[in-house]
Amino acid sequence: DSGVTQTPKHLITATGQRVTLRCSPRSGDLSVYWYQQSLDQGLQFLIQYYNGEERAKGNILERFSAQQFPDLHSELNLSSLELGDSALYFCASSEGLAISGGNTYEQYFGPGTRLTVT
Amino acid sequence: EDKVVQSPLSLVVHEGDTVTLNCSYEVTNFRSLLWYKQEKKAPTFLFMLTSSGIEKKSGRLSSILDKKELFSILNITATQTGDSAIYLCAALNTGTASKLTFGTGTRLQVTL
Repeated sequence: DSGVTQTPKHLITATGQRVTLRCSPRSGDLSVYWYQQSLDQGLQFLIQYYNGEERAKGNILERFSAQQFPDLHSELNLSSLELGDSALYFCASSEGLAISGGNTYEQYFGPGTRLTVT
Repeated sequence: EDKVVQSPLSLVVHEGDTVTLNCSYEVTNFRSLLWYKQEKKAPTFLFMLTSSGIEKKSGRLSSILDKKELFSILNITATQTGDSAIYLCAALNTGTASKLTFGTGTRLQVTL
């Protein structure tokens, strides 16, 4: 158990709908990362937050948005869902940022949320 | 565009064999190379390599980074069936917007 929790575990929804995925980082971790893993694309970095602020953006679609709240939990919002959005969505957390030096960038992954869009 | 390439894509070995997994990278402002093991669900962290030529070891697993040739290897000796998994490497860049770029992984299957 990494200490990172994600809800829900599974989500099935129809095209065009909107869903919210939730992540609680490990105690003490300020950074939260979101990843998408699909069969044909592998693991893709979506977005990173550090202490409430967006710090890095990867291959995140405009239909997707995220935020990190004052209690450090994070939510990933996916809207106008398409069949191709079906994937495993992972959240990871780490203590700090790479630029702060040391080993503060070790990331710990949550169990993932499996999204199926029908 | 940042790129991480892993090879082989897949391999099957017998228990007790030694395997070497390869990871090459082309990343702007490279800082570190990370290895993960992914079994059924979430990846689990194995190693983070920042300095070139310094081997990191954890039991039967070891890894080393070559920052001149831009690659890393992950060695697993005396493989066991429990080593069967997808092994992912990721390159970390640094700066004001640090991010991880993942390779597509190497699928390792260890048979009896």
